[in-house]
Amino acid sequence: QTVVTQEPSFSVSPGGTVTLTCGLSSGSVSTSYYPSWYQQTPGQAPRTLIYSTNTRSFGVPDRFSGSILGNKAALTITGAQADDESDYYCVLYMGSGIWVFGGGTKLTVL
Amino acid sequence: EVQLLESGGGLVQPGGSLSLSCAASGFTFVNCAMTWVRQAPGKGLEWVSVINASGGSRFYADSVKGRFTISRDNSKNTLYLQMNSLRVEDTAVYYCAKLPFLELSPYYFDYWGQGTLVTVSS
Repeated sequence: QTVVTQEPSFSVSPGGTVTLTCGLSSGSVSTSYYPSWYQQTPGQAPRTLIYSTNTRSFGVPDRFSGSILGNKAALTITGAQADDESDYYCVLYMGSGIWVFGGGTKLTVL
Repeated sequence: EVQLLESGGGLVQPGGSLSLSCAASGFTFVNCAMTWVRQAPGKGLEWVSVINASGGSRFYADSVKGRFTISRDNSKNTLYLQMNSLRVEDTAVYYCAKLPFLELSPYYFDYWGQGTLVTVSS
């Protein structure tokens, strides 16, 4: 059973920079997993931020960026703002028509 | 403007069945693969199923395989999820989402609906 790992929680100061990661319980994340990132505030539908590792979705500000850092996918928020306080989910494409989400990271801006 | 409107959620007993619908507008439905993602109360997102634009390719998470069936009616711009043999652990908000193209590549979901709640309880 493949498990996609994310930090359960993270905090950042307003204006600061934070990097959230997305790993695998066994193995390394590469671009071949087409990592994508989604932001969700309570009671709302997810919003697409990043796809194919590092491509921003339409309308997403450039302070959100995606990359591969070491053996994980990463989402970096530069110049964090109060309304960035959300849950962030990564999802990896495992091949054969199957996706697996990470457990999500609850980001606090304080 | 892309709009995805889920419906059909509700309360059902364990072992029962329920059918969800997702009405799509604001884009060319016949040109886009579609997917279902669910979220149990207070939990994270879980991918459920995907169907390509023609309906000829369908895939399922192991947790629902053999119990759920994804389908689409391109003449009605509507995506469906037939859920049978429901379990308490299927309780969740079910979101439909679209993929950008006919097939699964480049493997992400670009627009999401607001979701419909399914509660499985006796």
